[in-house]
Amino acid sequence: AQTIHQWPVAEIKAVGSPLSLGCTIKGKSSPNLYWYWQATGGTLQQLFYSITVGQVESVVQLNLSASRPKDDQFILSTEKLLLSHSGFYLCAWSHWGVSYEQYFGPGTRLTVL
Amino acid sequence: QQQVRQSPQSLTVWEGETAILNCSYEDSTFDYFPWYRLFPGESPALLIAIRPVSNKKEDGRFTIFFNKREKKLSLHITDSQPGDSATYFCAASGNTGNYKYVFGAGTRLKVIA
Repeated sequence: AQTIHQWPVAEIKAVGSPLSLGCTIKGKSSPNLYWYWQATGGTLQQLFYSITVGQVESVVQLNLSASRPKDDQFILSTEKLLLSHSGFYLCAWSHWGVSYEQYFGPGTRLTVL
Repeated sequence: QQQVRQSPQSLTVWEGETAILNCSYEDSTFDYFPWYRLFPGESPALLIAIRPVSNKKEDGRFTIFFNKREKKLSLHITDSQPGDSATYFCAASGNTGNYKYVFGAGTRLKVIA
């Protein structure tokens, strides 16, 4: 069975500080990977997707970047956090080649002060 | 910008009633429409999905009705239970090879016993 892990579970960071969030999927080779952001009480906004190692596509610009250093790993980062970055970050995966059924990880709660 | 709209924003029904959640979209290239359910403190879970080749998809108490001409769909939850209380998101995705996923703002459902 596939399992998806995200780390950390929660972060409290200062404005202007750097950030790195991670996502790992086990039990699935060559998955498509996705990053989503959800503002408190808001909808899910797709940020990035990746269909293969080293290749990442940006969907919206939020002064964030993403990388896929390994087949099973997806990293979301920024060098300088903004207050508007606060929210819930979700990683998701789907089977290679299709985006249809997406399965979400447990998420990371980010608070920027 | 591709948009998916949901209504109502919140809905309260009595136990045993049918809850109807609405969704509409603009982009006719969307060809996959999943509904996700989100319980507080958890990550979204895929509930049921439909493709435009069908106008109805049923899974237990959950049924999607789809109107391609009007670009509308609805999720019907029959015999609603207090355990169905959650936020329901309608989403849309494009043709094969298009990995973008657009979510609606969600409908917060409350089922009263």
